[in-house]
Amino acid sequence: KAGVTQTPRYLIKTRGQQVTLSCSPISGHRSVSWYQQTPGQGLQFLFEYFSETQRNKGNFPGRFSGRQFSNSRSEMNVSTLELGDSALYLCASSERRHEQFFGPGTRLTVL
Amino acid sequence: EDQVTQSPEALRLQEGESSSLNCSYTVSGLRGLFWYRQDPGKGPEFLFTLYSAGEEKEKERLKATLTKKESFLHITAPKPEDSATYLCAVQAAYGNNRLAFGKGNQVVVIP
Repeated sequence: KAGVTQTPRYLIKTRGQQVTLSCSPISGHRSVSWYQQTPGQGLQFLFEYFSETQRNKGNFPGRFSGRQFSNSRSEMNVSTLELGDSALYLCASSERRHEQFFGPGTRLTVL
Repeated sequence: EDQVTQSPEALRLQEGESSSLNCSYTVSGLRGLFWYRQDPGKGPEFLFTLYSAGEEKEKERLKATLTKKESFLHITAPKPEDSATYLCAVQAAYGNNRLAFGKGNQVVVIP
């Protein structure tokens, strides 16, 4: 099976802009979770989608949002970008509450 | 709130010098404890899942063990290709698919 894919791999944006990141899960996986990874905070949970519904949300401001489509592909959106949003954004897919398999991530730089 | 603490933060080993990494956790009912390996610029790669105290799993030079308060990742006779950051994460028994990660153990194996 193909692994989790994320696009784009790299992004450079300026403060105040918005960005949309995309994730395609492993075929057959209906759960998609998003994480933010920074050197200072490590990996932090953003939110999880299952069957097009958001099941859980981490402790992030409302500028961070997401959605999932009927084919299980997911997108996350960050509006009004801040310098502190610079991070590696990771998507992980799983079969319900089993092991999560991660994609390569999207490196977002906010200038 | 689920918490995971990993020690040591960084470790330099000579090739062949065995060592152990520690992951201490607090969680309101453990469903599973996960170990991942992460190479620079890449997403975490799944290694093991442990579900109950006393459980052990092995893969090549790696062996993971679990008690009610902590997990160990033993690296036996490491090779330079074992250099990576090892991440520990816990998943609570009730409710959701969220993983709470520690900040990782950065391992460098010197030839």
